[in-house]
Amino acid sequence: QVQLMQSGAEVKKPGASVKVSCKASGYTFASYGVSWVRQATGQGLEWMGWISAYNGHTNYAQKLQGRVTMTTDTSTNTAYMELRSLMSDDTAVYYCARGTGSHDYWGQGTLVTVSS
Amino acid sequence: DIQMTQSPSTLSASVGDRVTITCRASQSISFWLAWYQQKPGKAPKLLIHTASTLESGVPSRFSGSGSGTEFTLTISSLQPDDFATYYCQHYNGYSWAFGQGTKVEIK
Repeated sequence: QVQLMQSGAEVKKPGASVKVSCKASGYTFASYGVSWVRQATGQGLEWMGWISAYNGHTNYAQKLQGRVTMTTDTSTNTAYMELRSLMSDDTAVYYCARGTGSHDYWGQGTLVTVSS
Repeated sequence: DIQMTQSPSTLSASVGDRVTITCRASQSISFWLAWYQQKPGKAPKLLIHTASTLESGVPSRFSGSGSGTEFTLTISSLQPDDFATYYCQHYNGYSWAFGQGTKVEIK
């Protein structure tokens, strides 16, 4: 069965970077893209960006351009999202989700807390 | 960027009610719209894609309609398991955008 397994919770200081992983199983990794979506506590869903697992092509949300990098490792079927220059507003649950259009499978979420 | 606006933000309803949630796009998006259900502490669940196609395994009481700039999600007879927050999402292959969400509460 399709699964997306994300790395564990992180606590970071302002100005630091975080890298979250998303290991896919149960399907042909290169056949789908992966989006990253985040959700601050009590808030809505925010799309951060998307990466093609086929060729590594990326599209990032304008507000995160320059601070976010998404990559994939097809040898381990893993997608990564790195966010730099962290601020308190980046405290959120980060999800990876499969799909090149809509997203039919999601990871369990990774809580990233930014606090001094 | 295309903006997605949902209404209402909160909806109070009873079991058995027919419920309709609206999603409007700031410009035409054809039928490139999905609907998700999210429960507290859980990842979103895909209900409908391409505006009206029910995802496999989703109960038939859920339906979607619309095209262009106005879309609706309808729950024909609200069940206890349906109390949750619902999001619409536009996608076009290079950008995605969510609506702000509609929380369906018990009346």
